[in-house]
Amino acid sequence: DTGVSQDPRHKITKRGQNVTFRCDPISEHNRLYWYRQTLGQGPEFLTYFQNEAQLEKSRLLSDRFSAERPKGSFSTLEIQRTEQGDSAMYLCASSSQTGTYNEQFFGPGTRLTVL
Amino acid sequence: KQEVTQIPAALSVPEGENLVLNCSFTDSAIYNLQWFRQDPGKGLTSLLLIQSSQREQTSGRLNASLDKSSGRSTLYIAASQPGDSATYLCAVRGETSGSRLTFGEGTQLTVNP
Repeated sequence: DTGVSQDPRHKITKRGQNVTFRCDPISEHNRLYWYRQTLGQGPEFLTYFQNEAQLEKSRLLSDRFSAERPKGSFSTLEIQRTEQGDSAMYLCASSSQTGTYNEQFFGPGTRLTVL
Repeated sequence: KQEVTQIPAALSVPEGENLVLNCSFTDSAIYNLQWFRQDPGKGLTSLLLIQSSQREQTSGRLNASLDKSSGRSTLYIAASQPGDSATYLCAVRGETSGSRLTFGEGTQLTVNP
């Protein structure tokens, strides 16, 4: 499978714990995005990388959130001291800077439940 | 700030019917608009992307149109099938919003056999 992959697919944690999610983009894509989606809503942008550089961050990305893409390939999203309001689907997408109009392709998501 | 609205929020139709989903956006300064499909608990599947200079795109039974000046797009689904049941999301990439997509809340479609 050469699409965007995310791990884990589901995560249940207790309030106050730290969690980390991983995203592997399509191999030739140099742009990577994180979005968050709550039930019944459309996805909301969190952050964007071009290669290893984090170029955009949403105000939704509080100090408890951090994202990295150290070698310009996979990315991790860490949430520290989780709160019940962090429960959501976390979606990763990738695109090619030279591709068709920067079309974004999404992974299957990581469903986070904070108890 | 760009806002994207999708109407209706939910739609139920009998199999075989042609249908139209609507998407509107407040800032017409966009690079492109994408339509996605999302099955329950799953990620997003890209259906069609329309550049700001284009009027429509077609893929199989799907046709998406774009009227940039009026801030509207429609997704037309011909001869609907039960397998089309899903949530359909539209998203715009603004000229001044970097590479981020701004999404609507989606239209939940049910096609009844």
